[in-house]
Amino acid sequence: NAGVMQNPRHLVRRRGQEARLRCSPMKGHSHVYWYRQLPEEGLKFMVYLQKENIIDESGMPKERFSAEFPKEGPSILRIQQVVRGDSAAYFCASSPSDRASYEQYFGPGTRLTVT
Amino acid sequence: AQSVAQPEDQVNVAEGNPLTVKCTYSVSGNPYLFWYVQYPNRGLQFLLKYITGDNLVKGSYGFEAEFNKSQTSFHLKKPSALVSDSALYFCAVSQPRWNNAGNMLTFGGGTRLMVKP
Repeated sequence: NAGVMQNPRHLVRRRGQEARLRCSPMKGHSHVYWYRQLPEEGLKFMVYLQKENIIDESGMPKERFSAEFPKEGPSILRIQQVVRGDSAAYFCASSPSDRASYEQYFGPGTRLTVT
Repeated sequence: AQSVAQPEDQVNVAEGNPLTVKCTYSVSGNPYLFWYVQYPNRGLQFLLKYITGDNLVKGSYGFEAEFNKSQTSFHLKKPSALVSDSALYFCAVSQPRWNNAGNMLTFGGGTRLMVKP
C-alpha cells in the first residue's frame, strides 16, 4: 500500500511566480491536511480538506494561498505571487477518518525555495 | 487555544543509555497526544499516541510515553537508545471536536535527539 505521495519534492520559484504543490493521500483516505514547516520550527496547520470540500482553513494566510481536493485527482496547494517568506517545507498528511483520535500519515514534503 | 512545548532543542545520550524527550501541553479539555519522528529530508512518521486508558503507551521501535494529567506532560522514553534513533522528534496535541470536524494537530517545536556510539 503506497504511502502519501507529494510532488514535486523540491520546487524553486522566483518571486512573483506561482507554486503548485500536489498531494495524493493513502489509498482509502479521504481526509487531507496541509502543514508548513519553516526552518528550525515545528509544523503549523494550514488547511483540512475532504473530497470537494474545505473543512477548516483557519491556518491559511488570507491572501495568495488556496487549496483544493477535487473529486478526482490529488489535492493541490497553490501559492500565487510567491515571496521569499514562503520558502519552507510543505507537508501533506492523510487520515481515514475525521475523528481526532486517528493518527495522520505524512508525505515526504515539498521543499519550496523562493529566489 | 491549544499549545505544546518541547523545552529541549537537543538531547544527547550515549548508545545503550535510557533516553527521555520532554513534552508538555496546554488544552482546555481532554487531550489527544501524539509523538512523531522525522528523519532528514523525510516526512513525519507516527510513533505512538495517547487517547484514553492506561497512562503508559507503547509504540514503534521500542519507544513509550507516559501521560501525566496533573503535570500536563507526555514525555517520550526508551530504555536503551540506538544510534539509529538519532532524529528530530515532535510532540503534537489535538482535541475531539463536537462535530468530528477533523484533527488539526498542534506541534511542538521539535527536539533533536543525538545518540552517540
